[in-house]
Amino acid sequence: TQLLEQSPQFLSIQEGENLTVYCNSSSVFSSLQWYRQEPGEGPVLLVTVVTGGEVKKLKRLTFQFGDARKDSSLHITAAQPGDTGLYLCAGARAGNNRKLIWGLGTSLAVNP
Amino acid sequence: NAGVTQTPKFRVLKTGQSMTLLCAQDMNHEYMYWYRQDPGMGLRLIHYSVGEGTTAKGEVPDGYNVSRLKKQNFLLGLESAAPSQTSVYFCATRTSGDNEQFFGPGTRLTVL
Repeated sequence: TQLLEQSPQFLSIQEGENLTVYCNSSSVFSSLQWYRQEPGEGPVLLVTVVTGGEVKKLKRLTFQFGDARKDSSLHITAAQPGDTGLYLCAGARAGNNRKLIWGLGTSLAVNP
Repeated sequence: NAGVTQTPKFRVLKTGQSMTLLCAQDMNHEYMYWYRQDPGMGLRLIHYSVGEGTTAKGEVPDGYNVSRLKKQNFLLGLESAAPSQTSVYFCATRTSGDNEQFFGPGTRLTVL
């Protein structure tokens, strides 16, 4: 059973388009993180959201944590080829934050 | 600062051979993790350590052993490699007070 469901699994878009990636669960998380992984490298943290309803912006990327802290979304405005990569969400459970629960990832390709 | 390093970067083994993967960090982080990443399976936790001299099993520990004799090093051993252990292995570290994980560049292992 995958505790964190990411959708879509794959996404191929043209430069300049907008997109949204979703991370959903039936479980409550104390915090949720988004990582980006480029080919041949390890994941790198983009953002951590902690409060229900929280919105964080990182340049053209907007991250939102659901009010009930069960889901999150990542919206990219005017995607660039440099945004290409694997986007992973990971959640920390309250009372057991030694391990993260990982989604399977969304593979994004932005074509010039 | 090198951050998190992994050796080797690539390795090819024959079934039944043994090997040790080394993860080294200069970030003075307490927690260290070993993951494997396979297509369609996401990141799966093999073993982790919350401090020098302590280790714990993750979700896929069978066929692997670990040791954390020094705070800065976390070793992953395969005693008798199997083709099912063909994967990309990532080491990650974090402090005890923050969920952000810092990843190494990965080791690509092929077992023939």
